[in-house]
Amino acid sequence: SYVLTQPPSVSVAPGQTASITCGKDNIGSQSVHWYQQKPGQAPVLVVYDDSDRPSGIPERFSGSNSGNTATLTVSRVEAGDEADYFCQVWDSSSEHRSWVFGGGTKLTVL
Amino acid sequence: QVQLQESGPGLVKPSQTLSLTCTVSGDSISRGGYYWTWIRQHPGKGLEWIGYIFYSGRTYYNPSLGSRVTISGDTSKNQFSLKLTSVTAADTAVYYCARGGSGRYFQHWGQGTLVTVSS
Repeated sequence: SYVLTQPPSVSVAPGQTASITCGKDNIGSQSVHWYQQKPGQAPVLVVYDDSDRPSGIPERFSGSNSGNTATLTVSRVEAGDEADYFCQVWDSSSEHRSWVFGGGTKLTVL
Repeated sequence: QVQLQESGPGLVKPSQTLSLTCTVSGDSISRGGYYWTWIRQHPGKGLEWIGYIFYSGRTYYNPSLGSRVTISGDTSKNQFSLKLTSVTAADTAVYYCARGGSGRYFQHWGQGTLVTVSS
């Protein structure tokens, strides 16, 4: 299995834009999904298939994926967006197909 | 509205077997196309998938856990279960059950249950 690389932390002021990256060789050839996790809670899917949003997720959450980097963008950041964010892919390339998660990024709202 | 709920002991002794059950409501574990999955999160760490049972009953486990894992389903109770044998302190984690679909992402999660391995 391989590793999805995320920065440990990202800080942003309220109202600004936060970008959280997820890196892997040729990740652009895979579908990337993103989860938000607040303390003591289960993860919540915020973006799937690179850039789609489940119902109920604000349009402020968007995603992109190209080359070696996928990005989750949170626009007009609010205090309530402070959380850990994880990226995830399905690895079907090896003998042992598996889900792979990134190590997580803590988004701090200053 | 699909809901999942984990249940089981919060404390397990080293070398013993961890057993958890996930009760599903709002969907059937025997309905086609879904992966009923166990995922864990070590304290302060990232997410690690443990394994799944497919609607057909087929199972698949994370090779890193070797033969210690067994996942089974009970369609009469609409539950699926996790057994992890020979546990050590390294198995202390929050355990989640989740539903994965054809898109291979998880839109529905249980609230999670903390299992501590300690004597």
